[in-house]
Amino acid sequence: AQSVAQPEDQVNVAEGNPLTVKCTYSVSGNPYLFWYVQYPNRGLQFLLKYITGDNLVKGSYGFEAEFNKSQTSFHLKKPSALVSDSALYFCAVRDSNQGGKLIFGQGTELSVKP
Amino acid sequence: EPEVTQTPSHQVTQMGQEVILRCVPISNHLYFYWYRQILGQKVEFLVSFYNNEISEKSEIFDDQFSVERPDGSNFTLKIRSTKLEDSAMYFCASVGASGYTDTQYFGPGTRLTVL
Repeated sequence: AQSVAQPEDQVNVAEGNPLTVKCTYSVSGNPYLFWYVQYPNRGLQFLLKYITGDNLVKGSYGFEAEFNKSQTSFHLKKPSALVSDSALYFCAVRDSNQGGKLIFGQGTELSVKP
Repeated sequence: EPEVTQTPSHQVTQMGQEVILRCVPISNHLYFYWYRQILGQKVEFLVSFYNNEISEKSEIFDDQFSVERPDGSNFTLKIRSTKLEDSAMYFCASVGASGYTDTQYFGPGTRLTVL
């Protein structure tokens, strides 16, 4: 069965510092991986995805993610954090069966302090 | 830019009442989903819908739940007799024709409160 784990409930970063939000996955077959961000009382906004190709994926708002097949990881990164990046971040894997549902990790609360 | 819309944004209902949550997916999308998020918890899959029928449903999606695409634009989730534990944020999502490699775009959600 497909699964996703986000080992950190919360990540605290100072503004201007690099940030990393961790995600590991378990899939049978090719992994299709996604990152979404959720601001308070808002829906899920797509940030980026890995389907195939380059292991470094660039997405919205300056975020990028590194796909590592040997470590089964897909960590979200940003070189310089902004206070406005503070939000809840979800990693997800696309299920391989016909329905194609997303299986989400438990989420990581990112807090960026000035 | 096209987006998924959902109405209402907040629904308050009494236990045992029926509710219908509405979604308008992105036009020309073919796959539709409902997810829910209980406060403070992760997003959980409820049901997927393609070609006018359910593709997959989770254990949560029992006989009290149903989905429908009554016309070419709306996608609805009905809960026949709401329970307190149905209180959650409900998200609709849609995907284009490419399916697996396409992105699921989510609506802003409907917050359901069951009293």
